[in-house]
Amino acid sequence: AQSVAQPEDQVNVAEGNPLTVKCTYSVSGNPYLFWYVQYPNRGLQFLLKYITGDNLVKGSYGFEAEFNKSQTSFHLKKPSALVSDSALYFCAVRDWAGGTSYGKLTFGQGTILTVHP
Amino acid sequence: DSGVTQTPKHLITATGQRVTLRCSPRSGDLSVYWYQQSLDQGLQFLIQYYNGEERAKGNILERFSAQQFPDLHSELNLSSLELGDSALYFCASSVLASSYNEQFFGPGTRLTVL
Repeated sequence: AQSVAQPEDQVNVAEGNPLTVKCTYSVSGNPYLFWYVQYPNRGLQFLLKYITGDNLVKGSYGFEAEFNKSQTSFHLKKPSALVSDSALYFCAVRDWAGGTSYGKLTFGQGTILTVHP
Repeated sequence: DSGVTQTPKHLITATGQRVTLRCSPRSGDLSVYWYQQSLDQGLQFLIQYYNGEERAKGNILERFSAQQFPDLHSELNLSSLELGDSALYFCASSVLASSYNEQFFGPGTRLTVL
């Protein structure tokens, strides 16, 4: 069964500093990896995805993520954090096993990012 | 705004009752997903429909059912409600059912069971 772990419940960073939100995954086939952000009382917003190709993926709002197959990780990064980046971040994985496409996303527990002025 | 709409935004009801949550996918999206978000369980996949047919099933209780109509909107029916069903229910949609398509989420319906 596929699973996602976000080892940090909370990440605190000062505005202007780089940020990293960690994610590790476990799948039986090829991993399709996603990052979503959730602001208070809002739905999830898609940030970026890794399907194949370049291990460094660039997404919305200046975010990027690095896929590392040997470490089974997909950490979210941003070179310079903004106060407005403060939100709940979810890593998710979809498992593609052989000839079958599964629709479900398996989410991590989420990481609360707080960027201090 | 993702383009996915959900109604109602809030729902307060009593134990034992039945409710229906409605979702309209983004224009052109054929696949609809339902998720439940709660403090203790996190975000859990419930069920997926593609062009009117059930495609994948997750941890959906037997008291819950869903369908996707010919106009592609979807409804999630929750019956014999229990206190533990209180949660935020999200609908998401994607163009196809493939694993590599990102899903776009609606604003959610907050269900409170008293």
